[in-house]
Amino acid sequence: GAGVSQSPSNKVTEKGKDVELRCDPISGHTALYWYRQRLGQGLEFLIYFQGNSAPDKSGLPSDRFSAERTGESVSTLTIQRTQQEDSAVYLCASSFGTHLNEQFFGPGTRLTVL
Amino acid sequence: RKEVEQDPGPFNVPEGATVAFNCTYSNSASQSFFWYRQDCRKEPKLLMSVYSSGNEDGRFTAQLNRASQYISLLIRDSKLSDSATYLCVVNRLTGANNLFFGTGTRLTVIP
Repeated sequence: GAGVSQSPSNKVTEKGKDVELRCDPISGHTALYWYRQRLGQGLEFLIYFQGNSAPDKSGLPSDRFSAERTGESVSTLTIQRTQQEDSAVYLCASSFGTHLNEQFFGPGTRLTVL
Repeated sequence: RKEVEQDPGPFNVPEGATVAFNCTYSNSASQSFFWYRQDCRKEPKLLMSVYSSGNEDGRFTAQLNRASQYISLLIRDSKLSDSATYLCVVNRLTGANNLFFGTGTRLTVIP
């Protein structure tokens, strides 16, 4: 069965460029989360989508970060004018129903900003 | 104070040992609790949910102490394959951003 997939798996970019990361959740999962994990650090919540409700963007670190989700399917996380501090693994997770249920994580996108 | 705090370790234990991790949470409104496992350079995966009455899954036992606001994970008869980082996750119903991950406790099981 298909799990959560993310692309690209690795992304190297130059400072100042924009990047777009993609997440394909498990079919039927209404909730989708984006997290950031810096090397040796814990997970940092970025944004949460639940069905057709307005997303919770409270974790986005700056206005350079934005995310969209089309219905209950694919989501894209966009980082504009990347900075070296943006280098991290960006993890997407989805769950069925609410946050009370198990989250299934994708393999992540490793972003390196030179 | 962080929502969820864990001892980062590392815990280095010999095969066959019993090891326990604790995790404390700051918000008494927290409702759901989980332990996730994260292998090196891999994504987190659910290890087990933590129920009020405590629960066991093979060599793993999870306990919740609401009065003291901590949860624990006990691993008996450690295997080399248990080497990983164990993430404590706490969930509360109030507020939109209500899922909090600890920074993880790193375990290495030594032959």
